[in-house]
Amino acid sequence: EMQLVESGGGLEQPGGSLRLSCAASGFNFSSYAMSWVRQAPGKGLEWVSGISGSGGSTYYADSVQGRFTISRDNSKNTLYLQMNSLKAEDTAVYYCAKRMVGARPFDYWGQGTLVTVSS
Amino acid sequence: DIQMTQSPSSLSASVGDRATITCRASQGIGNYLAWYQQKPGKVPKLLIYAASTLQSEVPSRFSGSGSGTDFTLTISSLQPEDVATYYCQKYNSAPWTFGQGTKVEIK
Repeated sequence: EMQLVESGGGLEQPGGSLRLSCAASGFNFSSYAMSWVRQAPGKGLEWVSGISGSGGSTYYADSVQGRFTISRDNSKNTLYLQMNSLKAEDTAVYYCAKRMVGARPFDYWGQGTLVTVSS
Repeated sequence: DIQMTQSPSSLSASVGDRATITCRASQGIGNYLAWYQQKPGKVPKLLIYAASTLQSEVPSRFSGSGSGTDFTLTISSLQPEDVATYYCQKYNSAPWTFGQGTKVEIK
């Protein structure tokens, strides 16, 4: 059974850092591009960052460029999001999402981890 | 960057009615358009990709159409379990932008 399990969320002060993890199982992790998508409380979905299956290509939304870093460890079947210089507007549930093979969208999502940025 | 605009932002219809949601891209994206359903408190679920291809196990009352800049999601006969927020997403290239969402309710 395919599973994506996020962890690492919590309460952090503005300017602080957090590292999110997404543990994958039930599929050949290294064959699939992955992304992080967030959803602020009561708001819509916002794509945050994406990474190719090999990890050689990474992509970021303008809102997090220069502050967040996406990476993956295919030997551990794990996706990461290093979040630095956190702002109140980064408060959201963060989902990891698996992309379908080829130029296709996200067919499987984790349950999400809540990040709250507040003093 | 390409912007994705959905309309309406919310709709209310009766069980059995036809419900239509539109999504407009600020530039052409071919058919690289997906639709997701997010029920209250749940994780988003992929309904349609390539503008009109139904994801496996999605009921046939859902359909998608369009290409270029204008796309439509249609629910042919609205059911109580279709209460959700629906999002379009472009995925031809980064950033993989979502529309702002359309909340569907039963009248």
